[in-house]
Parts: sequence; structure tokens; C-alpha cells
Amino acid sequence: GESVGLHLPTLSVQEGDNSIINCAYSNSASDYFIWYKQESGKGPQFIIDIRSNMDKRQGQRVTVLLNKTVKHLSLQIAATQPGDSAVYFCAEGSVQAGTALIFGKGTTLSVSS
Amino acid sequence: DTEVTQTPKHLVMGMTNKKSLKCEQHMGHRAMYWYKQKAKKPPELMFVYSYEKLSINESVPSRFSPECPNSSLLNLHLHALQPEDSALYLCASSQDPGQVSNQPQHFGDGTRLSIL
Repeated sequence: GESVGLHLPTLSVQEGDNSIINCAYSNSASDYFIWYKQESGKGPQFIIDIRSNMDKRQGQRVTVLLNKTVKHLSLQIAATQPGDSAVYFCAEGSVQAGTALIFGKGTTLSVSS
Repeated sequence: DTEVTQTPKHLVMGMTNKKSLKCEQHMGHRAMYWYKQKAKKPPELMFVYSYEKLSINESVPSRFSPECPNSSLLNLHLHALQPEDSALYLCASSQDPGQVSNQPQHFGDGTRLSIL
């Protein structure tokens, strides 16, 4: 089956920097994308989502960018804080496929003070 | 705090034991999910319930038996598990069973299961 992957398994940044976490997807029929944050000992927590009719969506300190031409998704975190340290998963969905979300491999973000 | 509650948080069991994992949500969501997550890996879908009926079974071994007694509860019955079944078991819910692929799922914090 097709899957969603991430470019880098780990990302280390300094507090206050902006972070960019990338995700490549392979199913061109995917029309819904979502980012989750998973802290140690916790379940995945919804951060932000985007549908394929948009190329950018902003939340509080986070922005998701979608480039359908190259099948690329990114999560930008502004002014990264130590509390942002976690594993970040992207996931994709396709109404056409009729299945539930497919998760990518995950990127571990480490923020140092 | 998560709005999806899972119990117990930790479970250690032998290969011959029978135990159950429980999940509860009161958000009025009508789609509920079981996932298995190994360390440093993404969640893997096991089962999807839509309107309390099993709609997706991702070829899960029969030693895992899901049950949805009502719209707020989801159970996972375990019997004769293997050591490789040790993992974090996550429950999730989402609002509309007709859109399982294009809406957020809300996760509980999971049950960490260890098989001796």
C-alpha cells in the first residue's frame, strides 16, 4: 500500500528558533492531511489539518503548507519552545480510498534551552 | 487532559490470560478506532467502528476481539497474546463515520501492554 513518510527522523533546534518538519506523501488521491504531536507517555494530539483545496493554513504558532505538485507537506512551528519537544506525525486521508488515516513515520523534535 | 479515556494505563499479562482494554468518550463521536503503536513507530490501525458496527478490520489476529457496547464505549478483549503483541494500544474517536479519512481523530493516552 502507499504510505506517508517524513524526510528526517530527528530535528534539533534551539529555543526561540523556527522549526520546519517535512512530510512527503505518495498517494496523489489524498485530499486531507493532518499533523499530530505525541509527547512521551501520551497519545497523539491534534495540531492542525488541511484539505487539498488549500495550500496554507495557520494556527497558533503553527503553519501547515501543502504542495500538491510535489506531494509535500510541512509543519512550521514559530518560536519553538521546550514544550514543543515531541514526536510529530503527519497523516493523510483519501475519501476515494475509503480507509482511515495513514500515518507517516514521525519526526522527533528536540528543543534545547 | 484528553477527552478519550483509556483504562488501564498499564497492563502486564501472561500469554494464557484473558484481559480487556477499555475506552470511553463523551463527545458524541460515532466513529471509534483501535490502534497499535510500537516504540518509535507510527500508530497502526487495527479496527474501526462506525455507528457501533465494525466497519474496518485490518487483518488483525483473532486473539484481539473488539466490542462496541454503545456509542460511548469501545473494548478490546485480549486472549492468548504473544510477546510481540507488547505495545501501546491507542483508542481514538471522530465525529462522522462517513468521513473516517478526512476528519481529525481524537486519541486517548493509551494502554501500555506487556506480555510475559
